[in-house]
Amino acid sequence: EVQLVESGGGLVQPGRSLRLSCAASGFKFDEYAMHWVRQIPGKGLEWVSGITWNSHFRGYADSVKGRFTISRDNAKNSLYLQMNSLRPEDTAFYFCAKDSFGGWSDFDSWGRGILVTVFS
Amino acid sequence: SSELTQPPSVSVSPGQTASITCSGDKLGEKYVYWYQQKPGQSPVQVIYQNNKRPSGIPERFSASNSGNTATLTISGTQAVDEADYYCQAWDSSTACLFGTGTKVTVL
Repeated sequence: EVQLVESGGGLVQPGRSLRLSCAASGFKFDEYAMHWVRQIPGKGLEWVSGITWNSHFRGYADSVKGRFTISRDNAKNSLYLQMNSLRPEDTAFYFCAKDSFGGWSDFDSWGRGILVTVFS
Repeated sequence: SSELTQPPSVSVSPGQTASITCSGDKLGEKYVYWYQQKPGQSPVQVIYQNNKRPSGIPERFSASNSGNTATLTISGTQAVDEADYYCQAWDSSTACLFGTGTKVTVL
């Protein structure tokens, strides 16, 4: 069974940094692309960032480009999101999601999400 | 940038058919995926590659994609199908789009 468990969320002031982690199990992590998707409470889904299975390609939404960095450690079955220069509008639930392919396609499994709150 | 537009809400009586549209420029030329999200839960994929159902998704969920519109159809809608539904497609190789979301209410 695929399991994705996010950690590292919490309260942070504007301009500060936070690093999210996602621990994956139940599948061959190094064969699939991975993504971060966020959702402001009560609002819709927004793709944040994705990384291919071999880390050769990383992509970002315009809203986070230059501030967020996605990475992965295939030896540790882990996905990360380094979030710098956080803004109040980054407040959201952040989901770790598994792609169905090594490149970018769709999100066939999701974590439970973790809340990031940016406030002054 | 491109957008995927969905109706904010759809109401359906139990046992009837619910149809949710997703509109976007040349959407029929892309693969479209659909996700169901119930309150307080993570999204669950219900359709992939336009019209395929993942293992465990009931047959009452079907979908199509042509022209500028993709459609998710729930036949014989049940109370458990009450949820938010989102379409998803790639605008380019690097821009993932989600639809605006549709709340399905089973009256």
